[in-house]
Amino acid sequence: AQSVTQLDSHVSVSEGTPVLLRCNYSSSYSPSLFWYVQHPNKGLQLLLKYTSAATLVKGINGFEAEFKKSETSFHLTKPSAHMSDAAEYFCVVSEEGDMRFGAGTRLTVKP
Amino acid sequence: NAGVMQNPRHLVRRRGQEARLRCSPMKGHSHVYWYRQLPEEGLKFMVYLQKENIIDESGMPKERFSAEFPKEGPSILRIQQVVRGDSAAYFCASSPPSRSGGGLIEQYFGPGTRLTVT
Repeated sequence: AQSVTQLDSHVSVSEGTPVLLRCNYSSSYSPSLFWYVQHPNKGLQLLLKYTSAATLVKGINGFEAEFKKSETSFHLTKPSAHMSDAAEYFCVVSEEGDMRFGAGTRLTVKP
Repeated sequence: NAGVMQNPRHLVRRRGQEARLRCSPMKGHSHVYWYRQLPEEGLKFMVYLQKENIIDESGMPKERFSAEFPKEGPSILRIQQVVRGDSAAYFCASSPPSRSGGGLIEQYFGPGTRLTVT
């Protein structure tokens, strides 16, 4: 069965500095991997997804993630944080339609 | 405390029939979210409801889909005149009331209802 671990429960960055949110997964097969963002009082929004195409995936709002099979990682990055990026981020692994959510990483952006 | 419950877990409908999906939130939760998961796709937000109120339905298709969360009973996602493209897994999540001053709210997901339209 698949599982996913988000290595940091809380990340704090200054506006304009890079963002790194870490995610490791385990899977028996070739998984699909997703990053979602949740803003206060909003539903989950899909940021990007990996489904066995290019290993570097570009998403919305300047985010991207790189699938590294050898490291079983799918870390989310952004070159320059914006105040509006403050939210909760979820890494999700999906295998044959069965999803597993990470515990989430809360991103705080300081002015 | 039972988790979020969805029923049925599997639903088969013929084209043109109606599908009703139910979601019972966790005890004490007054917010419900519905998501659709298409094959090989991630979750797509559909609608966010509080008791007797639709807060955000920006992800709902304009026709045939409706959702409600009455004062008593579960939240219902209704799909009228289903078509093959409606075949998907539908997930419900619930969260507790917002804290004053805002802040992030955890969502707890149900097991999903897999709808198959034949």
